[in-house]
Amino acid sequence: GAVVSQHPSWVICKSGTSVKIECRSLDFQATTMFWYRQFPKQSLMLMATSNEGSKATYEQGVEKDKFLINHASLTLSTLTVTSAHPEDSSFYICSATRLGKNEQFFGPGTRLTVL
Amino acid sequence: ILNVEQSPQSLHVQEGDSTNFTCSFPSSNFYALHWYRWETAKSPEALFVMTLNGDEKKKGRISATLNTKEGYSYLYIKGSQPEDSATYLCARGAGNMLTFGGGTRLMVKP
Repeated sequence: GAVVSQHPSWVICKSGTSVKIECRSLDFQATTMFWYRQFPKQSLMLMATSNEGSKATYEQGVEKDKFLINHASLTLSTLTVTSAHPEDSSFYICSATRLGKNEQFFGPGTRLTVL
Repeated sequence: ILNVEQSPQSLHVQEGDSTNFTCSFPSSNFYALHWYRWETAKSPEALFVMTLNGDEKKKGRISATLNTKEGYSYLYIKGSQPEDSATYLCARGAGNMLTFGGGTRLMVKP
């Protein structure tokens, strides 16, 4: 149990376009979902936390207008990178927690390359 | 220590060798320490959640210890196998928030 999927697993896009990444909890209801970003040879860095039905909370330095997060249901959160630029190229990974639990279950991540 | 740090960054061992690596973290306001195993192209998999000073946990050939007063945790792998090749992440937990170290990439040669 506690499987989280992400789609797509990799995406290449042109500079200026927007890219949507989906994160789904397949066999549980995820009250909270987290989005992380990992640049080469760096740690996973938390970008934002989203609770179902409410606005996401962004970490310092993360532009909320650039990284749009929607958590409209208990099994789906989406991250949209708007007007992507090459510096947004990174590995994006989501995680989810169940109601009342702190353990995070991770998706397999999405590799974004912006040309 | 202000951040979560892991050492070494990478490690090559021969099949059958035992190995260990370190996670250092701020010792103040400690809540929990998590270890994850992350194979390429897969999701990070939780290994241990540790909360008590002196805690020792074991899962098969993998074990971990925790020292919250000095702010470190060790992960041990006994008799490494090629399937143990992965990146091992530690993360300091505070509530449902995690702060990750950079990971130790382990490669086990047959």
